[in-house]
Amino acid sequence: DTGVSQNPRHKITKRGQNVTFRCDPISEHNRLYWYRQTLGQGPEFLTYFQNEAQLEKSRLLSDRFSAERPKGSFSTLEIQRTEQGDSAMYLCASSLARLDSYEQYFGPGTRLTVT
Amino acid sequence: AQKVTQAQTEISVVEKEDVTLDCVYETRDTTYYLFWYKQPPSGELVFLIRRNSFDEQNEISGRYSWNFQKSTSSFNFTITASQVVDSAVYFCALSVFYYGGATNKLIFGTGTLLAVQP
Repeated sequence: DTGVSQNPRHKITKRGQNVTFRCDPISEHNRLYWYRQTLGQGPEFLTYFQNEAQLEKSRLLSDRFSAERPKGSFSTLEIQRTEQGDSAMYLCASSLARLDSYEQYFGPGTRLTVT
Repeated sequence: AQKVTQAQTEISVVEKEDVTLDCVYETRDTTYYLFWYKQPPSGELVFLIRRNSFDEQNEISGRYSWNFQKSTSSFNFTITASQVVDSAVYFCALSVFYYGGATNKLIFGTGTLLAVQP
């Protein structure tokens, strides 16, 4: 039984470059979430997929951010024209949509550093 | 709007002491879930416990116990006989429950850093 996996674990990029992160959820989970966590803070919600449909995006997700989940399996999060303020840990989580199993399981995260 | 407050920024205890982490939440919704997650130095958030708004029964699971009180909007978490491996940041989180395809996103507090000294 594998958990949520994320790649890469670390990414250092120069300001203005584009980056893409990948998340592979737990295989039977139909819900997938992206969160962002900065130092000393709790994770903040970015966006959510149910199967392949992106159903909600936070106001934190500017036009430079885009997320996809083709075929309802893995998901990618792309940041275009990165800025230093994008430096953070990007967390992916997945869950089942069942009343008795509502908790979200998190991956190890991708730490982005924009220089 | 929903909000989670963890007033304790850092707690330091000596091994084998009991420690309680406080959590206060705000929501106008009547159906919601409360969670505790642990984030060790490795960084991965680990799910610990879940409680829904209809069930105020407090439980004990091993060294963990929790006290859910709707009257004070609190969801406190206790570790009994703490161990060095319990050292981590602990997050309380709230998820308002909606039927259908709604987000049910997690709203986190700012976390409490627990340091257990040998």
